[in-house]
Amino acid sequence: DAGVTQSPTHLIKTRGQQVTLRCSPKSGHDTVSWYQQALGQGPQFIFQYYEEEERQRGNFPDRFSGHQFPNYSSELNVNALLLGDSALYLCASSLIGTDGYTFGSGTRLTVV
Amino acid sequence: AQSVTQLDSHVSVSEGTPVLLRCNYSSSYSPSLFWYVQHPNKGLQLLLKYTSAATLVKGINGFEAEFKKSETSFHLTKPSAHMSDAAEYFCVVSGKTSYDKVIFGPGTSLSVIP
Repeated sequence: DAGVTQSPTHLIKTRGQQVTLRCSPKSGHDTVSWYQQALGQGPQFIFQYYEEEERQRGNFPDRFSGHQFPNYSSELNVNALLLGDSALYLCASSLIGTDGYTFGSGTRLTVV
Repeated sequence: AQSVTQLDSHVSVSEGTPVLLRCNYSSSYSPSLFWYVQHPNKGLQLLLKYTSAATLVKGINGFEAEFKKSETSFHLTKPSAHMSDAAEYFCVVSGKTSYDKVIFGPGTSLSVIP
């Protein structure tokens, strides 16, 4: 039973570039949430996708956008990268209406 | 609104001694509460969760936590620390379903001294 899969595991980008991170949810889950974890801090909620729509959003600028596909997988896109976007990006999947979350191992993004 | 406070940013214990990691929460409704552990360069692993059943919750690796509504606390304990317990621990509050936002505390770094 595969858990949550995130790709790539590590990524280095230049300031001003755009990046796409990918997440495949745990089998049976239909909801994907994205979190940003800066070094030494707890994860911060970015947004949640269900039925291919953004359902909730945290306090992040419009440079952060996402998408959910019919197979429930999801992408996180960040435009016009800033040095401060360097962080571990975590994806969590769940089944709507329940409180069981499964986290992936994350994508480490470094902006230089 | 919901929030989580972890009272210690860093805790250091000797191997074989008890562990106490403190968490206080604020929620306008009956919350679900979780403890997650994160080892260096790893993702988050669920230790245990409280969802309004028994107030004393047992988790993996010998950890447990007690929900105290009167104190709005959900402290994590373990009777005897092991070297492998050294990690970052996050207290998390949420609503009862995945419709609700999941709010992480700032984390407590646990060191275990041999």
